[in-house]
Amino acid sequence: EVQLVESGGGLVQPGGSLRLSCAASGFTFSDHYMDWVRQAPGKGLEWVGRTGNKANSYTTEYAASVKGRFTISRDDSKNSLYLQMNSLRTEDTAVYYCVRELATLSSWFDPWGQGTLVTVSS
Amino acid sequence: SYELTQPPSVSVSPGQTASITCSGDKLGNKYTCWYQQKPGQSPVLVIYQDYKRPSGIPERFSGSNSGNTATLTISGTQAMDEADYYCQAWDSSTVVFGGGTKLTVL
Repeated sequence: EVQLVESGGGLVQPGGSLRLSCAASGFTFSDHYMDWVRQAPGKGLEWVGRTGNKANSYTTEYAASVKGRFTISRDDSKNSLYLQMNSLRTEDTAVYYCVRELATLSSWFDPWGQGTLVTVSS
Repeated sequence: SYELTQPPSVSVSPGQTASITCSGDKLGNKYTCWYQQKPGQSPVLVIYQDYKRPSGIPERFSGSNSGNTATLTISGTQAMDEADYYCQAWDSSTVVFGGGTKLTVL
């Protein structure tokens, strides 16, 4: 069974840092581009960013709202995806989902993890 | 930046057809996919590459995309289809989501 399990969420003060992890299983993790998507409480989905695979030198892309503050990385030996979040703001409060891309161009996301909640508050 | 616009809400009677639209500039030139999200759950892919259904998604879900509008159609809508629906497309190398549509089955 293909599975994505996020962890690392919690309460953090504005200006603080947090690192999220996503453990993948049931598929060849190293083959796939991987993304993070977030959802603020009661709001819609917002793409955070993505990392490519070894074939494209692990190229990363980010949404304008997080560029320069968030960093996506991966460890293919551990089948894991990471999201390092620095300089956190209250508007970063959201459930963060790890998702798998299924195509190299114009991809779709399947499956989605269960999400991990990040709360930025003093 | 590229934007996708969805109606905030759509209502449908059980057994009828629900149509949810997603509008964007020249959207028909891009692939669109759709996700269903029920309360307290993670999103689930229901349509990809405009009209394709993943395995396990009922045949009553279909999609189309032309001009500036992509449409998710649910035929013979059931109470279990009540959920939020999001469209998604790519703008260059970044992802764009529509604002979401709450489907109510009355």
